[in-house]
Amino acid sequence: EPEVTQTPSHQVTQMGQEVILRCVPISNHLYFYWYRQILGQKVEFLVSFYNNEISEKSEIFDDQFSVERPDGSNFTLKIRSTKLEDSAMYFCASSLWGLAGLYEQYFGPGTRLTVT
Amino acid sequence: AQTVTQSQPEMSVQEAETVTLSCTYDTSESDYYLFWYKQPPSRQMILVIRQEAYKQQNATENRFSVNFQKAAKSFSLKISDSQLGDAAMYFCAYRSPFQGAQKLVFGQGTRLTINP
Repeated sequence: EPEVTQTPSHQVTQMGQEVILRCVPISNHLYFYWYRQILGQKVEFLVSFYNNEISEKSEIFDDQFSVERPDGSNFTLKIRSTKLEDSAMYFCASSLWGLAGLYEQYFGPGTRLTVT
Repeated sequence: AQTVTQSQPEMSVQEAETVTLSCTYDTSESDYYLFWYKQPPSRQMILVIRQEAYKQQNATENRFSVNFQKAAKSFSLKISDSQLGDAAMYFCAYRSPFQGAQKLVFGQGTRLTINP
């Protein structure tokens, strides 16, 4: 069965450094998402992406964050200047395009980002 | 803004018994989608069951069923004949029906332990 994959599984970075988290969505999916989960807290939506542009974003997704689909298979989340509070598990998800809610979002295993 | 609340941080059940996980939500929308996701220790979230708010009939998927009470804004998950493989974190999630609103709003999660 097709899966969403994410690399790396764990990333350690120093405060102020740029980090890029990578995701390979399921090949025929057209909607892509990033969520994050700070340890012990809720899973929070960051951004959704469709047709090479941001479809929706949360208040968390400020100018320090950006997303890109650099080729036909990868979907990336960049954090320009990491802060301690960016330490979290970051989940990528993808879904087919269509009526909202009709199509399931498939999640990747996550990248644990640790900012020191 | 929509909110989702899971008031049980942890639950445990004996193998082969039945357990019910609670979820309440708040929304002003009349139509929406509700989901239960399972996150096993490997941390990849998997969709367990989905409910469309316009459907009065409660969704069922094998041993998993929901009790959807729209007026009370309650959406509980019942797991029958619990198995060791059901041990996981369970998240309740809400999604708006609108085309441009793809994000999932998650509850805090309930950690389910299955006792052999």
